[in-house]
Amino acid sequence: AQSVTQPDIHITVSEGASLELRCNYSYGATPYLFWYVQSPGQGLQLLLKYFSGDTLVQGIKGFEAEFKRSQSSFNLRKPSVHWSDAAEYFCAVGARPGGGADGLTFGKGTHLIIQP
Amino acid sequence: ETGVTQSPTHLIKTRGQQVTLRCSSQSGHNTVSWYQQALGQGPQFIFQYYREEENGRGNFPPRFSGLQFPNYSSELNVNALELDDSALYLCASSSGTGGFSYNSPLHFGNGTRLTVT
Repeated sequence: AQSVTQPDIHITVSEGASLELRCNYSYGATPYLFWYVQSPGQGLQLLLKYFSGDTLVQGIKGFEAEFKRSQSSFNLRKPSVHWSDAAEYFCAVGARPGGGADGLTFGKGTHLIIQP
Repeated sequence: ETGVTQSPTHLIKTRGQQVTLRCSSQSGHNTVSWYQQALGQGPQFIFQYYREEENGRGNFPPRFSGLQFPNYSSELNVNALELDDSALYLCASSSGTGGFSYNSPLHFGNGTRLTVT
């Protein structure tokens, strides 16, 4: 069975500082990995995805993530955060880009707080 | 390009009642999935529809059922509502063959907030 662990429930970062959100996954084959962001009262917006190839993937809003197979990790990074980045961030894994027969499995999320 | 739209945005129901939630897929997408997101949790996969048939299901009881229509819009039906069904219900669409979206990641709507009292 596939699973995702996001070890940090809350993270507080000062505006302009760098950010790293951790994600560890469990999956038997080559995973499809995703980071989604959710603002209060909103749905999920796709930040970036890893399907294959280059293990460092670039996304929207200046985010990037690195796939490390040996560590079963897919951490999200941003060099300098903005107040508008405050939101809930979800890591997800699936058998297909659209989830497949078992859908996507999401972590419980990391709540990002930006300090002025 | 029209995104995924869901209706209604909010809904209050009483335990034991039935509810229908609706979703219009993003233009060009032929596969629709539904997820349940309880407060403070990540979304959980309910089921997926392709060509009007369910082709994937998560760990949800049969009282959760769905439909997909020829125009790829979809409904989620929940019978005999329980208090634990209170959640944000998210619809997501994608495109591909065989229903498994070989090229397209999920695009989510803003959800329907269901409260069961």
